[in-house]
Amino acid sequence: SAVISQKPSRDICQRGTSLTIQCQVDSQVTMMFWYRQQPGQSLTLIATANQGSEATYESGFVIDKFPISRPNLTFSTLTVSNMSPEDSSIYLCSVEYPLAGERTDRETQYFGPGTRLLVL
Amino acid sequence: AQSVTQLDSQVPVFEEAPVELRCNYSSSVSVYLFWYVQYPNQGLQLLLKYLSGSTLVKGINGFEAEFNKSQTSFHLRKPSVHISDTAEYFCAVSGGSYIPTFGRGTSLIVHP
Repeated sequence: SAVISQKPSRDICQRGTSLTIQCQVDSQVTMMFWYRQQPGQSLTLIATANQGSEATYESGFVIDKFPISRPNLTFSTLTVSNMSPEDSSIYLCSVEYPLAGERTDRETQYFGPGTRLLVL
Repeated sequence: AQSVTQLDSQVPVFEEAPVELRCNYSSSVSVYLFWYVQYPNQGLQLLLKYLSGSTLVKGINGFEAEFNKSQTSFHLRKPSVHISDTAEYFCAVSGGSYIPTFGRGTSLIVHP
């Protein structure tokens, strides 16, 4: 399976500021995903990031608030802009297993360790 | 459209006892089913998955799950739990788009 890292692992931010979260994968992947997990809740998909095209956002999420970059097949960033306390969550990056992976690894998402964000 | 229902928000159990975490799904297409575990302050780790073939799927850490198409269920089981199994467990279903829908999670609490 893919090895996924995220930076930072946690942060405490002031309202009105922005934070950029990085996601790095140890192998090339077609699709990368960003999720939000609010305290005590399940995962909500924010957007899908494909290399070479604009991210596709889910209902309730907009590019101005959550701009995403995907400069290559192993890296993506998510920015949480103009933060408010309601943005306090865990932000998770995930990937669908690599382009050249085993068939049984397809259609499966693997997750990074998450970024724990607290907005004051 | 697809959805996942995890019937129990919390399951307390004593160490070395068996456990079953329930998951029901609905989908209009063929499904892929997953169980993920989230230990405190960590990301999600894939426990097991059903894509096709045998309906009994074995995963890591002694867990297994059975896909039951007629009952639209994918319950997770372990014959003897350990303290270290205390975690949040998420069931997920995907079909076609490869983007899974997650359940709300079940908190497994193993008591000594």
